[in-house]
Amino acid sequence: AQSVSQHNHHVILSEAASLELGCNYSYGGTVNLFWYVQYPGQHLQLLLKYFSGDPLVKGIKGFEAEFIKSKFSFNLRKPSVQWSDTAEYFCAVNTGGFKTIFGAGTRLFVKA
Amino acid sequence: EAGVAQSPRYKIIEKRQSVAFWCNPISGHATLYWYQQILGQGPKLLIQFQNNGVVDDSQLPKDRFSAERLKGVDSTLKIQPAKLEDSAVYLCASRVNTGELFFGEGSRLTVL
Repeated sequence: AQSVSQHNHHVILSEAASLELGCNYSYGGTVNLFWYVQYPGQHLQLLLKYFSGDPLVKGIKGFEAEFIKSKFSFNLRKPSVQWSDTAEYFCAVNTGGFKTIFGAGTRLFVKA
Repeated sequence: EAGVAQSPRYKIIEKRQSVAFWCNPISGHATLYWYQQILGQGPKLLIQFQNNGVVDDSQLPKDRFSAERLKGVDSTLKIQPAKLEDSAVYLCASRVNTGELFFGEGSRLTVL
């Protein structure tokens, strides 16, 4: 069965620190990859997505993610986090068709 | 454009009682999903519809959960009878051809 693993459940950073959140998936075929974010009190929303082409994708608010097919990974990065990035981040995988599977999420807290 | 609408936002019931949640997706979105998100976990797919047909309900506990989307637009998810472990946020999402999911605010269920 397909699955998505997020390595860190909780991350605490100071403002201006760099961020990298790990995501690995288990599926041998073609995948579409997503990162969703949930800010406090808000609904889940798309941060960025990868379907094909350049494996380095850029999203909103300075986030980017790199798809490494050989490692089945899609890690999220941001060079310098802000207090407003405090949120929960979910990696998600679509393996074709309509089914999208989510990881357990990573809660990021950025200290001002 | 209007987002995904869900109601009620909060519901508290006692175990063995029944509850129903309603979702109205974004206009024109043929695919609709219900996810269950237990505290500390990622969203878990319960059921997905394509128009008014069920595409995948393999994770839906069919002895107590049911869902319908009669006219291919809005949908209801019902739990009867509820158990303590059903306490969760029930998320409705709809999908466009780009693969991105649009989520509602969620319905938070507490079973006492």
